[in-house]
Amino acid sequence: QVLLMQSESEVKKPGASLKVSCEASGYTFTNFGVTWVRQAPGQGLEWMGRISAYNGNTDYAPKFRGRVTMTRDTSTSTVYMELRRLRSDDTAVYFCARDGAVAGVLPRPAHYMDVWGQGTTAIVSS
Amino acid sequence: DIQLTQSPSSLSASVGDRVTITCRSSHTISSFLNWYQQRPGKAPKLLVYAASILQSGVPSRFSGSGSGTDFTLTISSLQPEDYATYYCQQSYNTPRAFGQGTKVEVK
Repeated sequence: QVLLMQSESEVKKPGASLKVSCEASGYTFTNFGVTWVRQAPGQGLEWMGRISAYNGNTDYAPKFRGRVTMTRDTSTSTVYMELRRLRSDDTAVYFCARDGAVAGVLPRPAHYMDVWGQGTTAIVSS
Repeated sequence: DIQLTQSPSSLSASVGDRVTITCRSSHTISSFLNWYQQRPGKAPKLLVYAASILQSGVPSRFSGSGSGTDFTLTISSLQPEDYATYYCQQSYNTPRAFGQGTKVEVK
């Protein structure tokens, strides 16, 4: 069974850092990337970035560059997302998702998120 | 960055109704378009990828179509478990933006 298990919810003060973990199981970790998506209360989904579990290459949304770092530990099949200099508007549920891809359908691989973690709630409040 | 606009933002429908949700991209994205369903308090679930390929295990009443800039998700006969919010997402380039969502509610 393919699973992504995320760390527990957190409460942080403005200016602090948040680090969320996402442990993968049930598949070959290095064959897929992991994407991070967040959702503020009552709002839609926001793509934050992705990391290749194979080589650690990252691609961050411009909005988060300079404030986010995604890393992976292949020995434990775990991906981490750290967000620094937290603000109140960073209050959200943070999801990790497996970044799958299908080749041969389009001129280049088409990516999608086919397995999701349960979400980690982060509240930023003084 | 590519922007995705869904319409409508919400709709009311009854069990058995045919439901259509559209997603328009600000730039041409070929068929690099995915659809997700999200129930309250839950993680999103992949329904359709590459615009028209149904994810394994997803009921056949769901279908996706379109290419270029205009895309559609259709539910052929709405079931009680389909009341949820639906999001499109482009995978043409990064950042892989989502549409703002379409909430399907009970009529």
